[in-house]
Amino acid sequence: EDQVTQSPEALRLQEGESSSLNCSYTVSGLRGLFWYRQDPGKGPEFLFTLYSAGEEKEKERLKATLTKKESFLHITAPKPEDSATYLCAVQGRSSYKLIFGSGTRLLVRP
Amino acid sequence: DGGITQSPKYLFRKEGQNVTLSCEQNLNHDAMYWYRQDPGQGLRLIYYSQIVNDFQKGDIAEGYSVSREKKESFPLTVTSAQKNPTAFYLCASSIMSATNEKLFFGSGTQLSVL
Repeated sequence: EDQVTQSPEALRLQEGESSSLNCSYTVSGLRGLFWYRQDPGKGPEFLFTLYSAGEEKEKERLKATLTKKESFLHITAPKPEDSATYLCAVQGRSSYKLIFGSGTRLLVRP
Repeated sequence: DGGITQSPKYLFRKEGQNVTLSCEQNLNHDAMYWYRQDPGQGLRLIYYSQIVNDFQKGDIAEGYSVSREKKESFPLTVTSAQKNPTAFYLCASSIMSATNEKLFFGSGTQLSVL
């Protein structure tokens, strides 16, 4: 069964304190791994898609990496506006639908 | 601007009542989806549609119904059979390409029971 586990559930950082969020997955043939950002009371906003192990993508202070078992979302020198819930999802080759993790709630304090 | 519009933002349901959540997109996407989000849980798929006049059940379809009469519209009805409807409901769409199932989400509807 396809499964996604995100850790930690919540993370508090001081502004400028870099860290990483983890997304571990089990899927029968990875078709794509997706990262989304969700602000309270709003819909998720797309960040990255990763397709194969070793792939990396960057956007401002965020960098996503992928291995055969997990993905990391690295946040470098975060700012308070980076505070949000970050969702990870995978799509396997045997199924059309995305499987979402429960998310990591990030709080960046000034 | 292109996007997905969900309405209403907040909805209250009385016991035994059916309520309908609206979802409209002007992105010309073929596929549309309904997800349910509960606190501390991942998004769970209720229904999805890949083409007009066709839709499939997701993981938690019981107590819900949908229609897809137009490409732009995918309304969700929460029926009285859904005993625990309080949740945040998200509508999404995608292009349905073979290489990228990136989803575009609406801003959500918070449904509560009176």
